[in-house]
Amino acid sequence: EADIYQTPRYLVIGTGKKITLECSQTMGHDKMYWYQQDPGMELHLIHYSYGVNSTEKGDLSSESTVSRIRTEHFPLTLESARPSHTSQYLCASSVAGPTFFGQGTRLTVV
Amino acid sequence: AQSVTQLDSQVPVFEEAPVELRCNYSSSVSVYLFWYVQYPNQGLQLLLKYLSGSTLVKGINGFEAEFNKSQTSFHLRKPSVHISDTAEYFCAVAKGSNYKLTFGKGTLLTVNP
Repeated sequence: EADIYQTPRYLVIGTGKKITLECSQTMGHDKMYWYQQDPGMELHLIHYSYGVNSTEKGDLSSESTVSRIRTEHFPLTLESARPSHTSQYLCASSVAGPTFFGQGTRLTVV
Repeated sequence: AQSVTQLDSQVPVFEEAPVELRCNYSSSVSVYLFWYVQYPNQGLQLLLKYLSGSTLVKGINGFEAEFNKSQTSFHLRKPSVHISDTAEYFCAVAKGSNYKLTFGKGTLLTVNP
């Protein structure tokens, strides 16, 4: 059983607010990822980190930013939320082979 | 760039029937292949993976998949499904040791009594 945790599970927030989605893993994995999933659609990679202080953008352009100050923690931040940011955000980690996913955060911006 | 095609968006079957969910990928280099399952309002759970070695891969919950390099396919099979197998299934491909995943659009498997 993988140990990767995301909070909050659900978030409804007003336009213009700053939000941070939390992601933590206890497995010591070097690689961490953020994927975005719109309802009924596939997942797209938006951010990737291969270790502390290393991050890069994914295949899908996103206005969000990430940081990796500690191995176990990989938060995602939106400085000013907009309705177009409404989606599900899934955090994941990997060391060699399979990628383990958190439960996801379902974000709704009103 | 690699892509993943899941040929069926929805597959309805009756309980205890066999099922095959099809997945094709395009890549000019060696890839790693995965199947994930997603239950409503949940994250993704790894069903099985192909990294190297035997082309027939067995996973959890009685699922298996076969890697076919010549046909660039990685179809998922189960000989007898249960109601609890109703979920969305995603095929994914990774190229290289960064394990960045490219996903298919998913197949909704609905198991009816």
